[in-house]
Amino acid sequence: SQQGEEDPQALSIQEGENATMNCSYKTSINNLQWYRQNSGRGLVHLILIRSNEREKHSGRLRVTLDTSKKSSSLLITASRAADTASYFCATTDSWGKFQFGAGTQVVVTP
Amino acid sequence: KAGVTQTPRYLIKTRGQQVTLSCSPISGHRSVSWYQQTPGQGLQFLFEYFSETQRNKGNFPGRFSGRQFSNSRSEMNVSTLELGDSALYLCASSLKQAGSYEQYFGPGTRLTVT
Repeated sequence: SQQGEEDPQALSIQEGENATMNCSYKTSINNLQWYRQNSGRGLVHLILIRSNEREKHSGRLRVTLDTSKKSSSLLITASRAADTASYFCATTDSWGKFQFGAGTQVVVTP
Repeated sequence: KAGVTQTPRYLIKTRGQQVTLSCSPISGHRSVSWYQQTPGQGLQFLFEYFSETQRNKGNFPGRFSGRQFSNSRSEMNVSTLELGDSALYLCASSLKQAGSYEQYFGPGTRLTVT
């Protein structure tokens, strides 16, 4: 079973728009991470947010974490065609065990 | 630093055969994890090795096994292949930094079972 559940499953937007996706999880976590996967390739680490953090920024990415609601969101601002990919959230416990969500497929059209 | 490498990149096998996949982690990373990714099931955790010992294990049958060598390189073996084993197999190495683990993924091995 998967720890994280992403919402929506798929998202289609135009270049320049913002893309927001959410991740919910079930158990206590040490941190939550977001990854991107281009079609059929390995996952690329985007950003990590620790359980005691509420918000984090990295370039055009903004991640929030609400541990009381066991949820996180990833916002991509001013999206580009190159942002087309699947995005996964992953939680880790204190032992470093990872659990991935099912992913959100994002398509950015020019 | 070189990234995580996986070999082979593509593989076609027949039902009933067995297969071995290889993963070389980033230098200095002692943890290697394996995942199976399929369109229907998403990313499923297989197992994790740390310092040659299996530290965590997912819910896969005993046909799936792995090992890690003293240089941290890891191999994954699947015996008696089934059609449902067709998937992208991803390897990730990780390092604990500031109390948190980040995983770095290889490009994957695309296994097709016919």
